[in-house]
Amino acid sequence: TQLLEQSPQFLSIQEGENLTVYCNSSSVFSSLQWYRQEPGEGPVLLVTVVTGGEVKKLKRLTFQFGDARKDSSLHITAAQPGDTGLYLCAGVRSGGYQKVTFGIGTKLQVIP
Amino acid sequence: DSGVTQTPKHLITATGQRVTLRCSPRSGDLSVYWYQQSLDQGLQFLIQYYNGEERAKGNILERFSAQQFPDLHSELNLSSLELGDSALYFCASSVAGGSISEQFFGPGTRLTVL
Repeated sequence: TQLLEQSPQFLSIQEGENLTVYCNSSSVFSSLQWYRQEPGEGPVLLVTVVTGGEVKKLKRLTFQFGDARKDSSLHITAAQPGDTGLYLCAGVRSGGYQKVTFGIGTKLQVIP
Repeated sequence: DSGVTQTPKHLITATGQRVTLRCSPRSGDLSVYWYQQSLDQGLQFLIQYYNGEERAKGNILERFSAQQFPDLHSELNLSSLELGDSALYFCASSVAGGSISEQFFGPGTRLTVL
């Protein structure tokens, strides 16, 4: 059982469409991170959200942290082929040392 | 390029064997993390070292061990390998180990156990 559930697991869309992927947990996190991983490479951090209800924008990507700090969403506007990749959310629990738990990821394919 | 290097990039071996994966963190980073990524389990945290000392343990099997050397590079040793150990192994590094800090991931080592 995954501590962090991501949905959908797979998503294939046409260039120009909008999409939202979700990251849900029954646990509370001190912060939540989103990563993108491309084939043959390690994950790269996109954003960290810390405050419940926080919204952060990174160009066409909008990240939201749930009010209760248990869930998060990533919305992509006008998806482009360059957005193709595996999107991972990671919950961070602090207290002595940083402990990061990753979701299984959403594999996004944007078709030109 | 994250600045984290991992060798080898690919490793093919047989069941029962032992392998060593190597990681060099970004210059100045004191923490090294090891992760295992498989299709069905996703990215699983194995172990963290901070400035040469073990800081946190995750889902690491007893057959696996790691260490961080004085020059801060780290090695992950996998022994008595089983088919199910086939996966991508990532190393990540960060500046600190006790606070929330960005982890920078290496390109990974793909291990195939036949």
